[in-house]
This record gives sequence, structure tokens and C-alpha cells, in this order.
Amino acid sequence: QSALTQPASVSGSPGQSITISCTGTSSDVGGYNYVSWYQQHPGKAPKLIIYEVGDRPSGVSNRFSGSKSGNTASLTISGLQAEDEADYYCMSYTSSDTWVFGGGTRLTVL
Amino acid sequence: QVQLVESGGGVVQPGRPLRLSCAASGFTFSNYGMHWVRQAPGKGLEWVALISNDGKNKLYADSVKGRFTISRDYSQNTLYLQMNSLRAEDTAVYYCARDRSTSWSLDYWGQGTLATVSS
Repeated sequence: QSALTQPASVSGSPGQSITISCTGTSSDVGGYNYVSWYQQHPGKAPKLIIYEVGDRPSGVSNRFSGSKSGNTASLTISGLQAEDEADYYCMSYTSSDTWVFGGGTRLTVL
Repeated sequence: QVQLVESGGGVVQPGRPLRLSCAASGFTFSNYGMHWVRQAPGKGLEWVALISNDGKNKLYADSVKGRFTISRDYSQNTLYLQMNSLRAEDTAVYYCARDRSTSWSLDYWGQGTLATVSS
């Protein structure tokens, strides 16, 4: 199972919005609404921020939103804050009864 | 509150075994599937294995199938990963994570334990 495709890096200024894409195939992202997103700060464990494409766990800021079109899922962060600087990973359930992560995207807040 | 605490990491020679543990607390362990996810130094996340809440279904990534075994002990509320025939490329921080029932996402993670395979 190949990793989902994410941009290696994105950046934005405080207050701006950014979008991170996550491209897979019809066997994973396109075939199921089981796409989730994780935020990971350096040296820390990942944290779930979006599940089932666009739902937020309790306690996660509504500045984080998710969507999907075809084989590509997207994470949008609005009103960028310094604390959002981190690595972001998408993950999808697959038709092989496995899970696959994206390669990760480093977000830099300028 | 939900807590997951991994242990068992260390330095091991290629070809040797290692068993990781994940002690769970703060939730009803038998109600949730559990995953192992790993992260090689400076690299991204890689899904490793899942065990269902009842222990009957076990799924593995191709990269570890036939070498790693996931299991759980309900009396100890502990998740395990038995890793055999270890290779240098298995060097990683190993995280255990709880499956958020019905959504196939990982809602709580441990802090990770580092397994280093080196001669």
C-alpha cells in the first residue's frame, strides 16, 4: 500500500488560511469516508483533529475543517496561529483492510 | 482520563525479538479496537497493526506481516506487539493508539517507545 500524497510543506502568515491536500485512490480516500487528520508537534505524539472526513473531536478548534472530493481529501486551517506550526498527517482506511498515512506536511507559520 | 503508556523499547540486534507493551487506563479496554503505529527517526507515520475489541480480528501492514503479532490481555488492560526477525528498517518510535469506534480513526495515543535495531 503506497502512502497517500501530501505536499511536503506549506506556510502562511498569522490570521491567514491554508489548505493541505491528501491524494489517494479509489481504494482508499475515494472509496471511504474514513479519512482522518492528525497534528504532531516536535517530539510529541500525534493528535486527532479531524475524523470521518470533516468531523472534529470535542475540544478541537473550529478553525480546523476537512473535506473530500473524489480521491483527494483536504484539511483547512483558518485564522492561522503560531501554535498551529506542526506536522500534519492524513490517514485513510483501505480496501485491503489496512490503514495508510500520508507522507506528512510541515506547516510553517511565518 | 484515557491514558496509554508504552514500554519495552530498547536496542536489539537484527534477527532478535522484542515485545512492546501498552498499558491502558481510563476507559473500558474491552470496548475498543487498538492500533500500533510507528515512526522511523525523522520520517512520517506508518500504520502497523490493529486488533479488534474482542481480539478476534488482527490486521497487519504488509511490511510486518508474518513477523509481528498483536495481542491483548483484558485482565491486565494491556496491548502487546511481539516483534520477531527484526530488521534495521524496523527502527522507530512505536505508538499504541485507541480506535475511535465506527470511524476508523485513532483518538488517543501513547507517548511512544523507541525500538532500535542495530548490531
